[in-house]
Amino acid sequence: EPEVTQTPSHQVTQMGQEVILRCVPISNHLYFYWYRQILGQKVEFLVSFYNNEISEKSEIFDDQFSVERPDGSNFTLKIRSTKLEDSAMYFCASSERVSYGYTFGSGTRLTVV
Amino acid sequence: GENVEQHPSTLSVQEGDSAVIKCTYSDSASNYFPWYKQELGKGPQLIIDIRSNVGEKKDQRIAVTLNKTAKHFSLHITETQPEDSAVYFCAASGEGGGADGLTFGKGTHLIIQP
Repeated sequence: EPEVTQTPSHQVTQMGQEVILRCVPISNHLYFYWYRQILGQKVEFLVSFYNNEISEKSEIFDDQFSVERPDGSNFTLKIRSTKLEDSAMYFCASSERVSYGYTFGSGTRLTVV
Repeated sequence: GENVEQHPSTLSVQEGDSAVIKCTYSDSASNYFPWYKQELGKGPQLIIDIRSNVGEKKDQRIAVTLNKTAKHFSLHITETQPEDSAVYFCAASGEGGGADGLTFGKGTHLIIQP
């Protein structure tokens, strides 16, 4: 069964450093997303991406965050200057069409120290 | 924006019994309601979804019901098995889960007692 692949599985970074989280969506999917889950809390929407541009973003997705699809297969989330409160599990997801359910990756656990 | 409430936060049932998890939502424009199962260390996995033009959907031991008037939807798992133990999340979206983001509930930790 096709999978969404995320790397790395775990990243530790110092406060103020930039991090890039990487995702390879399912190849025939057109819609891409990032979500995050702070430990023990619910999954929160960050951003959706379609046709090489952001479709929607939440209040969490401020100027410190950016997304990119650099080469037609990877989908990245960049956090420019990490804060302690950015520590969370970050999930990438993709979907084939607007009305189809997402497939989530296994996540990247980001720890900011 | 949308707000999704989920109950209970923890549910313990005997193996073979049924489990019911309930969610309410606030935005009457929401029309897509998926349920996800999350096992430890893994991403959420879609197990069933329902759109607002139907009231009930069933897939083997799993069923979802939707009451648009009352703005609530429920997940029913029958004949529970140990492998059903996981955290279950409900979610709601206004555009079929596509370009619009999903709003998730806080999750239910389902424990199946042998």
